[in-house]
Amino acid sequence: DVKVTQSSRYLVKRTGEKVFLECVQDMDHENMFWYRQDPGLGLRLIYFSYDVKMKEKGDIPEGYSVSREKKERFSLILESASTNQTSMYLCASSLPMTAGNSPLHFGNGTRLTVT
Amino acid sequence: GQQVMQIPQYQHVQEGEDFTTYCNSSTTLSNIQWYKQRPGGHPVFLIQLVKSGEVKKQKRLTFQFGEAKKNSSLHITATQTTDVGTYFCAGVTSGTYKYIFGTGTRLKVLA
Repeated sequence: DVKVTQSSRYLVKRTGEKVFLECVQDMDHENMFWYRQDPGLGLRLIYFSYDVKMKEKGDIPEGYSVSREKKERFSLILESASTNQTSMYLCASSLPMTAGNSPLHFGNGTRLTVT
Repeated sequence: GQQVMQIPQYQHVQEGEDFTTYCNSSTTLSNIQWYKQRPGGHPVFLIQLVKSGEVKKQKRLTFQFGEAKKNSSLHITATQTTDVGTYFCAGVTSGTYKYIFGTGTRLKVLA
């Protein structure tokens, strides 16, 4: 069974801090994703990566960056946290689209509060 | 950019009633997936539809993909309290790796 592990379930940070959210998957998946989930807005894609050291912007990349130095690990970085980045952050992984049925496997999420 | 709209946003039903959520994309999709998120949990994959006009069933759940591959629906027959949660569709356009999620439909089932 695929396991996607996010390093923290809850985080509280101060405005202006640099924040690292870590995600590790154990199924050798090529694709990894970071979403944020807010009430009424669903899941919005921040960044995704389809290979080591490869990344592409999603729909709301402003204020975020990512790092994928190893295939199993995808990190989301908030360079200078702001209160409007308070949200639930969900990491996911998947096989490539060419694999046919390629569902997203989500981690349990990190609820980040920026004060 | 690509948008995926989902309606309704909320639905309260009596146990035993049917439920339907609809998903519409602004662009043609290569495939569409459906996910369920229980309260306090993370989205869990239910099914993927790929072919135009495709219909798939999972017990009391029926999933449809429109002929133009721009819309989809999920229908639950005779809801149960275990169906409570938020249902999301996620569309993928050809040539991209991006899963664009709908805003979700939150289902509450009253016993």
